[in-house]
This record gives sequence, structure tokens and C-alpha cells, in this order.
Amino acid sequence: EDQVTQSPEALRLQEGESSSLNCSYTVSGLRGLFWYRQDPGKGPEFLFTLYSAGEEKEKERLKATLTKKESFLHITAPKPEDSATYLCAVQQGGKLIFGQGTELSVKP
Amino acid sequence: NAGVTQTPKFQVLKTGQSMTLQCAQDMNHEYMSWYRQDPGMGLRLIHYSVGAGITDQGEVPNGYNVSRSTTEDFPLRLLSAAPSQTSVYFCASSAKGGTEAFFGQGTRLTVV
Repeated sequence: EDQVTQSPEALRLQEGESSSLNCSYTVSGLRGLFWYRQDPGKGPEFLFTLYSAGEEKEKERLKATLTKKESFLHITAPKPEDSATYLCAVQQGGKLIFGQGTELSVKP
Repeated sequence: NAGVTQTPKFQVLKTGQSMTLQCAQDMNHEYMSWYRQDPGMGLRLIHYSVGAGITDQGEVPNGYNVSRSTTEDFPLRLLSAAPSQTSVYFCASSAKGGTEAFFGQGTRLTVV
């Protein structure tokens, strides 16, 4: 069964305290792994797409990596404005399958 | 650019009523999907479409119908609303499989 699991469910950091979010997946015929950011009351906003093991992508304080079984979203020196829910999803055929998300809170 | 537009933003229904949630995109995307988001459950796929005239079921399709008569529009119909359908509904579109999906701002539905 295709499945996406994110951990932790919630993460509280101090400003400047780097950490990582995990997304593990089991899917046949992976066509891409996606990271999204979601702010309260809004729709998810695209961050990264990764297609093959070993691939890495960066954007400001965020860096996403991919292995054959999991992806990590590394957050370096986070700021309060990085507080949001981060969602991971895998493309399987015509479907996007989402994990349950990690709620990140960064305190000043 | 409008992107993905969902209407209405908020709706309250009585049990047993029917309604249609509208979704329109102006990016000429082939793929469109409907999700519901409940606390602690993440985004769950209801129905999706890979092109006009083609639809398929997702993880939680019961109680919902869709059709895709044009590339731009993908309405979601609730046939007989139940309190279990209280949720936030998101529509998304993408150019094709493996490309980023764009989401609407959501419809918050309450069934009493």
C-alpha cells in the first residue's frame, strides 16, 4: 500500500536552532517527491520537487534531500517567519499522496 | 494570474442538503484534484482527474461526485451532506504528473 509518513508531528525550535524534518515513503513507481509549506487558513504552497535518490535542492534556509526510502527537509538557522506546517507528498500515477505534516514553531 | 479559484470560501449546510463546490484554474493544467483536510489527518484525496472527461476515485470518495467537462473546471458535488463531511476542502491543479501542484485557498464547510 502506498504510504507517506512524516515525523515529528510537531517541532518547536528557538530562532537559530537548526533541525530536520523527516518524510518516509513506500510507493511503487515514484514520479516525484514534493515538499509544501502551509500557513494557517491557506492552501499549501510549493517548495521543492525531488525525482531521484541523491538529489538535493535549496531555497534560502531550507534544503531538501532524497534517498530511496525517505526525504529530509533541513532548516538552517530558522526564523520565526519559518513557522508553518510542512507537508510532504509523493506522486503515484495521477495522484498526490500526502503525509500528515509537521507543524513547525520557531520562537524568537 | 488567478491560478486556482475555489468558491465559496465558507459554507454551512444542514444534514441532507446537497451543494457543489466550484474549482476553476486558468493555467491550462491537465491534472486536477480535490482533497479534504481534517485535524491530524493531513490532506486526503477525494477524486482526481488527468484530463477532460477522465475522473477517478481517491482515498475517500464516498458521498462525493465529480465530473470534468472542460479543462478549466472541476466541481465537487456533495449529494446528501453529513456531519462527517465537515472539513476544509482544497482543489489543486498541475500541468501533468510529476510537476508541482497549485492549490486554491480552500472552502471551509460545516454540516450541522
